[in-house]
Amino acid sequence: RKEVEQDPGPFNVPEGATVAFNCTYSNSASQSFFWYRQDCRKEPKLLMSVYSSGNEDGRFTAQLNRASQYISLLIRDSKLSDSATYLCVVNKGGSQGNLIFGKGTKLSVKP
Amino acid sequence: EPEVTQTPSHQVTQMGQEVILRCVPISNHLYFYWYRQILGQKVEFLVSFYNNEISEKSEIFDDQFSVERPDGSNFTLKIRSTKLEDSAMYFCASKPGPLQETQYFGPGTRLLVL
Repeated sequence: RKEVEQDPGPFNVPEGATVAFNCTYSNSASQSFFWYRQDCRKEPKLLMSVYSSGNEDGRFTAQLNRASQYISLLIRDSKLSDSATYLCVVNKGGSQGNLIFGKGTKLSVKP
Repeated sequence: EPEVTQTPSHQVTQMGQEVILRCVPISNHLYFYWYRQILGQKVEFLVSFYNNEISEKSEIFDDQFSVERPDGSNFTLKIRSTKLEDSAMYFCASKPGPLQETQYFGPGTRLLVL
């Protein structure tokens, strides 16, 4: 099983659509979970951390299910500017917190 | 807002040559990292660095790689004898301390080995 596995995508959606990204991770020692976005040929940028209780930031909602080792991201009312690759990221555990990345799911929002 | 910076943005080198990639982490951060991303592939961890020594390294980080913090601001990655498969985007990242989980990434150095 891959350490972090995501939907392969790509997702092509119209503006205003709701998009859901799914992710599973294999390391039960992971304590921190994130969604990053990466624009083409740019660095990963933190979109949001993911907490056990679930968290929301505007149009973005993240959920974590530790029992099933599953993470999700929901984008509501998608905008053209949401077009990017969305990376599911977990930490390895320990104070160093080395990050383990999924391969990412590419999202294209069309007018 | 403080940022991680990296130089150069692009580097082209011949196979077998040495390259040094430079990073300036955010000034009050204590943990430093190098990651790489081969074109079309996922971001992969290379090495973490804390308290002037390597904390952890991946299988990718073999004897050809080394890191150094030569002064209070720079953090460098050296590849001694580059191979074609070292061509990738190299990202430096830093975080403030052990209790903070978020890592902040620099813009990357695109390395092309010919």
